[in-house]
Amino acid sequence: GDSVTQMEGPVTLSEEAFLTINCTYTATGYPSLFWYVQYPGEGLQLLLKATKADDKGSNKGFEATYRKETTSFHLEKGSVQVSDSAVYFCALSDKVWAGGTSYGKLTFGQGTILTVHP
Amino acid sequence: NAGVTQTPKFRVLKTGQSMTLLCAQDMNHEYMYWYRQDPGMGLRLIHYSVGEGTTAKGEVPDGYNVSRLKKQNFLLGLESAAPSQTSVYFCASSSRQERQYFGPGTRLTVT
Repeated sequence: GDSVTQMEGPVTLSEEAFLTINCTYTATGYPSLFWYVQYPGEGLQLLLKATKADDKGSNKGFEATYRKETTSFHLEKGSVQVSDSAVYFCALSDKVWAGGTSYGKLTFGQGTILTVHP
Repeated sequence: NAGVTQTPKFRVLKTGQSMTLLCAQDMNHEYMYWYRQDPGMGLRLIHYSVGEGTTAKGEVPDGYNVSRLKKQNFLLGLESAAPSQTSVYFCASSSRQERQYFGPGTRLTVT
């Protein structure tokens, strides 16, 4: 079945440092890939997505490129801020057929806690 | 436009008690989902619905039941709560597109 593996956390950085959070996946089909972010006490918000190989998703200074050859979708940011402190989830969506209809089943990685210090 | 809302935000139950979590969305989405979030395990799908009146099992359905009597609401029930059901529960909804919109979560503790 589908699976997503993220780098172990927690990750602690100083403000303005470079961030990389690794994410690799296995999937039987051609999934879309996502990064979700969860700020303390809140639900998950979509950070960025990519729907096909070599697509680059970007938002709020974060970027990730869909690499089919290495089955990876690593998250990067050139200069983190204290406000970026959150839990980051990598996820893939694969179309699943059930009862005559389809939906995009989301499979999540385990999450990576990021703390940024001033 | 409130998006996805969940009630209650927090709840403490004793083993064997029952409760219902309510999820509501105002985006006219067809699809709705219930997840649980446990430390180090990401989110796991409990049940989902592809439309009013339909529900289906997800990855971890045991001990839970759901109902989708109205398009905008998706209820998650625990008939006899167990300590293993202590978790944070998230509801989400989506259109036929893939992006899911998440609610703020319900923190449930079963003692």
